Amino acid sequence: LAKTTQPISMDSYEGQEVNITCSHNNIATNDYITWYQQFPSQGPRFIIQGYKTKVTNEVASLFIPADRKSSTLSLPRVSLSDTAVYYCLVVPEGQNFVFGPGTRLSVLP
Amino acid sequence: ETGVTQSPTHLIKTRGQQVTLRCSSQSGHNTVSWYQQALGQGPQFIFQYYREEENGRGNFPPRFSGLQFPNYSSELNVNALELDDSALYLCASSLNSGVGEQYFGPGTRLTVT
Repeated sequence: LAKTTQPISMDSYEGQEVNITCSHNNIATNDYITWYQQFPSQGPRFIIQGYKTKVTNEVASLFIPADRKSSTLSLPRVSLSDTAVYYCLVVPEGQNFVFGPGTRLSVLP
Repeated sequence: ETGVTQSPTHLIKTRGQQVTLRCSSQSGHNTVSWYQQALGQGPQFIFQYYREEENGRGNFPPRFSGLQFPNYSSELNVNALELDDSALYLCASSLNSGVGEQYFGPGTRLTVT
């Protein structure tokens, strides 16, 4: 299974754009890149998933370079309610999710 | 809300006891995965059930067992509880196994004393 590396923590201010980069050097051809968000005492919540190039939804954008060895989750104009832990997962087709420790994002006023 | 419910919300057990946790999956979902999340760590995969059959297992001992019912709800059973079993137990439902989105429930907080 591909291992992911992401920063342990990040700080930002309200209204700023936040970019969290995840490294996954051993990603395989059939792997997808998925990001989840988790608030304290709640289950993780799906944010976005992609395979290559760029994916955008109403919450975030996901940028994946051609070699797919890294990916960047971009959160536009964060608010205090975006304070959470963000997990980057590389999900092989037909296999199961492996969560790392995630990135603890703190949004300050 | 994801439509995934878990019961109970909190539970306190004594070392050596047995516990059963329950999960109701989102309507139409045939796959349930269970995770253990210790404080400050990411969720760790325990096992997955797809159409009532175990479909993958993480690095957990056999005293962690599960069941999925015809309505796709699921149970997680843990025997001979140890102090290290204290954690948040999460279930997630999805439509078919694989890379698709998993919908997580709020979890059951288990404390073993």
